[in-house]
Amino acid sequence: DVKVTQSSRYLVKRTGEKVFLECVQDMDHENMFWYRQDPGLGLRLIYFSYDVKMKEKGDIPEGYSVSREKKERFSLILESASTNQTSMYLCASSLGRRDSGQPQHFGDGTRLSIL
Amino acid sequence: AQSVTQLDSQVPVFEEAPVELRCNYSSSVSVYLFWYVQYPNQGLQLLLKYLSGSTLVKGINGFEAEFNKSQTSFHLRKPSVHISDTAEYFCAVSGTNKLIFGTGTLLAVQP
Repeated sequence: DVKVTQSSRYLVKRTGEKVFLECVQDMDHENMFWYRQDPGLGLRLIYFSYDVKMKEKGDIPEGYSVSREKKERFSLILESASTNQTSMYLCASSLGRRDSGQPQHFGDGTRLSIL
Repeated sequence: AQSVTQLDSQVPVFEEAPVELRCNYSSSVSVYLFWYVQYPNQGLQLLLKYLSGSTLVKGINGFEAEFNKSQTSFHLRKPSVHISDTAEYFCAVSGTNKLIFGTGTLLAVQP
């Protein structure tokens, strides 16, 4: 089974801090994704990557950046955290470059609170 | 552009009753469709997927879904639900390199 591991289940940070959310997958997947999940809004794509050092903006990239230095690891960075970034963050991965038929495999999520 | 609509934000149902969770999509190209389940404090888990072939797709935990191209629908069904099916269910359609998710339906199973 694919294992997608997010480094923290719960995280509390202060406004203005630089925040790193880490995600690691163990199945040599090429595609990796970061979403945020808010009640009534479903999942919204922040950034995704289909190769090492490659990244593409999703639907809501403002206030975020990402890093993919190794194939198995995809980091989400909040450059200067704000209270409106309090949310559940989900990482996912999928096999195959640009293959729309592949399902995504999700981590358990990080519930981030910005105070 | 693709989009997904889950009209029901919450569906209450009694244990052992049948249930249908509705999903409609829009797409100008061939689609791949997915249903995911999210149990409390967990990530999303794949229930089933439609790629091609038979329009009736069977998934895990006794769920099935039917792809209807003329109605652009992919409704999820289970003939008899259990308390343990209480969760949020997300329908998704494939886009270029990504999935587009609906806003989710909370299935609340009552004893």
